[in-house]
Amino acid sequence: NAGVTQTPKFQVLKTGQSMTLQCAQDMNHEYMSWYRQDPGMGLRLIHYSVGAGITDQGEVPNGYNVSRSTTEDFPLRLLSAAPSQTSVYFCASSYSGGGQSPQHFGDGTRLSIL
Amino acid sequence: DAKTTQPPSMDCAEGRAANLPCNHSTISGNEYVYWYRQIHSQGPQYIIHGLKNNETNEMASLIITEDRKSSTLILPHATLRDTAVYYCIVRVASGTSYGKLTFGQGTILTVHP
Repeated sequence: NAGVTQTPKFQVLKTGQSMTLQCAQDMNHEYMSWYRQDPGMGLRLIHYSVGAGITDQGEVPNGYNVSRSTTEDFPLRLLSAAPSQTSVYFCASSYSGGGQSPQHFGDGTRLSIL
Repeated sequence: DAKTTQPPSMDCAEGRAANLPCNHSTISGNEYVYWYRQIHSQGPQYIIHGLKNNETNEMASLIITEDRKSSTLILPHATLRDTAVYYCIVRVASGTSYGKLTFGQGTILTVHP
């Protein structure tokens, strides 16, 4: 049982490049989300999804796109990378988004934008 | 979601119990108390959660006061691998904050030999 798998683990991009961060879970969880973690800022919610075909914005969505075509996958797309998007990105999933359902995190993608 | 207050750091001797406090004096009746930890460079790890009653699992125990305004996470026999940042989070069961976890600064627990 792999849980939440994120790829790649590390990535370096140049300003203006685009890329997709992958997130997959094998727990048949309906709820998935993306966070970014910056020093001194804690984790901030970027986008989330309550099920296949349904996504919504979190608190810092600008510059990122998501889609949810299957229950298992929730990719995060950077459309035109900017240095301000240098961060560690975490994907999480849970049975539901409700407060009674624990969220489980992947090990993160460390992204540097030059 | 209710705000939480935790001490910035704590120390614990290996093999002893680690008791991490959290204050959540503005918690509402439908808000859960969650504990996560983050070991350097890894993703946050779920530990335990509860609503009103005390809870125990294979990792830890959660003690919630009767008025629900504070809680304590107990690691019964701390090991060096328990050195991490521990986050106490209050989550609403449903509504506009659906699903969002608000991580504060947490408590840096250092377990020493």
